[in-house]
Amino acid sequence: TQLLEQSPQFLSIQEGENLTVYCNSSSVFSSLQWYRQEPGEGPVLLVTVVTGGEVKKLKRLTFQFGDARKDSSLHITAAQPGDTGLYLCAGVHPSGTYKYIFGTGTRLKVLA
Amino acid sequence: NAGVTQTPKFRILKIGQSMTLQCTQDMNHNYMYWYRQDPGMGLKLIYYSVGAGITDKGEVPNGYNVSRSTTEDFPLRLELAAPSQTSVYFCASRVGQGGNQPQHFGDGTRLSIL
Repeated sequence: TQLLEQSPQFLSIQEGENLTVYCNSSSVFSSLQWYRQEPGEGPVLLVTVVTGGEVKKLKRLTFQFGDARKDSSLHITAAQPGDTGLYLCAGVHPSGTYKYIFGTGTRLKVLA
Repeated sequence: NAGVTQTPKFRILKIGQSMTLQCTQDMNHNYMYWYRQDPGMGLKLIYYSVGAGITDKGEVPNGYNVSRSTTEDFPLRLELAAPSQTSVYFCASRVGQGGNQPQHFGDGTRLSIL
């Protein structure tokens, strides 16, 4: 069973379109992180959301943490080919250990 | 400014062989992690360490072993390679406690078991 489920699994859109990626769990997380991974490289941190209801913006990317801290979303406005990659949400395991768990991933392809 | 360094980058093993994946970091981070990533999927935690001499199992530890004799190094050992262990392996480190701290990843080791 996956503690962090992401949807959609795959997304192919045209340049200029908007999109939203979701990260959902039945468990409460103290914080959630979003990473982007490009082919042949390790994931790179985009943002950390900590407070329920928090919204953070990173240029054309908007991240939101659910009020109950069980879910998060990533919205990209006017997607560009450079946004292509695998998007992963992650958080410290709800059991309170130091284990990190990652979501199932969303593979985004933006076509020029 | 090396960060997290993994070696080798690629390796092909025969079933039953053993090998060690090396990971070293130069950021003096206490926490280190090993993940595997199957094609098109997210990362699954194999083992982690919160400091030298301390290791613990993650989600998928079977078939693997680790050690942490120094802060810098966290090698991952495969004793009897099986086809199911074909994957990309990532090592990561972070400075300390708290879910807000970012993980810093190496570029991965691509391992094929034939």
